[in-house]
Amino acid sequence: EAGVAQSPRYKIIEKRQSVAFWCNPISGHATLYWYQQILGQGPKLLIQFQNNGVVDDSQLPKDRFSAERLKGVDSTLKIQPAKLEDSAVYLCASSLNRWGEQFFGPGTRLTVL
Amino acid sequence: QKEVEQNSGPLSVPEGAIASLNCTYSDRGSQSFFWYRQYSGKSPELIMFIYSNGDKEDGRFTAQLNKASQYVSLLIRDSQPSDSATYLCAVNQLYGQNFVFGPGTRLSVLP
Repeated sequence: EAGVAQSPRYKIIEKRQSVAFWCNPISGHATLYWYQQILGQGPKLLIQFQNNGVVDDSQLPKDRFSAERLKGVDSTLKIQPAKLEDSAVYLCASSLNRWGEQFFGPGTRLTVL
Repeated sequence: QKEVEQNSGPLSVPEGAIASLNCTYSDRGSQSFFWYRQYSGKSPELIMFIYSNGDKEDGRFTAQLNKASQYVSLLIRDSQPSDSATYLCAVNQLYGQNFVFGPGTRLSVLP
């Protein structure tokens, strides 16, 4: 069974630029999560999808971050414009349902200069 | 009050000893509890999950849950240097944000 795929693995941008991350969850997993993990901290949930609907986006900075999950499969997370404090690893995870264990992708390491 | 707290590290134990990692949570209605291991530069990987009060064993790992005390722990028996990593406690809450991670505890197993 293929795991969660993410791309790109690394991205370096200047502040005020835009960037997008892509995630393909494990086949059949209805729930998809995007996390932000700053060095030395635990992952912070940004947004949770159940199929193609948003379950929780309470910690998503909506003035600059957006996410979508068209057709309830792949998802993209966008930052526009980026700030220095957005430098972090962005992790995508999926689970069969909202109560089950999550499986993580390899993450995208973003550096904002 | 933070939603999920873990004992501050780093925690150092000698090889072969028992490592004890602790986690407390604030949402009394939380349903399920997970322990993830994260090696430096890697993404979290699931070690164990537990839903019911009591102990759950899987090889060298034992998860313990006490819902009355809002406490979950992970014991690692016969610790190996390869167990050196950050251990993340995660809680699936009934109210508020659905899934919350603790800050992690860094474990070092010394040869």
